[in-house]
Amino acid sequence: DGGITQSPKYLFRKEGQNVTLSCEQNLNHDAMYWYRQDPGQGLRLIYYSQIVNDFQKGDIAEGYSVSREKKESFPLTVTSAQKNPTAFYLCASRDRPYTDTQYFGPGTRLTVL
Amino acid sequence: AQKVTQAQTEISVVEKEDVTLDCVYETRDTTYYLFWYKQPPSGELVFLIRRNSFDEQNEISGRYSWNFQKSTSSFNFTITASQVVDSAVYFCALSEAPQGGSEKLVFGKGMKLTVNP
Repeated sequence: DGGITQSPKYLFRKEGQNVTLSCEQNLNHDAMYWYRQDPGQGLRLIYYSQIVNDFQKGDIAEGYSVSREKKESFPLTVTSAQKNPTAFYLCASRDRPYTDTQYFGPGTRLTVL
Repeated sequence: AQKVTQAQTEISVVEKEDVTLDCVYETRDTTYYLFWYKQPPSGELVFLIRRNSFDEQNEISGRYSWNFQKSTSSFNFTITASQVVDSAVYFCALSEAPQGGSEKLVFGKGMKLTVNP
């Protein structure tokens, strides 16, 4: 089945540690995205990538890093520089930028202890 | 700048009631796309509908219907005869077209719908 997978579903991290969230898609989509969702809030864009080996900062990129070495994979690293990392993280992809629908993965809930 | 406003934050209805979720948007572009997503308790965002700015035809899909009015910059979503399974958070979103637009999908803050049996 085609789709977007994110792992793990729940993640716990101690303060000061970096942690990497996985996002994989087998839809052959060019563009991939990372969003952050806080309680009672809409989604905010962290990073996006329109093509392999290229990515752009979104609205809240500080404290995060990404890579796009393969078309199907777009991992997000939450670094110790991120002040409030506890949130729900959603990955999305779409076939072509701008015009197509973004489809979302199941999300990863990150909690910093 | 793009903006999406969902004025209602939370609605509670009894099963079989009709409910309308409001969405008002702001954009300077003449070409744009509007979306509705559903987020059930599991957390995944489920795509419901996409509409481009040139297509003002209303759409019906089963118990769901959408009313797009450019004159009022609104893209409202109605659920007819609501069911408990409709309980979720619903997001309206806006994406501008490439010319002068951005890659970003701008979301409203979401509206939590609870349908009670």
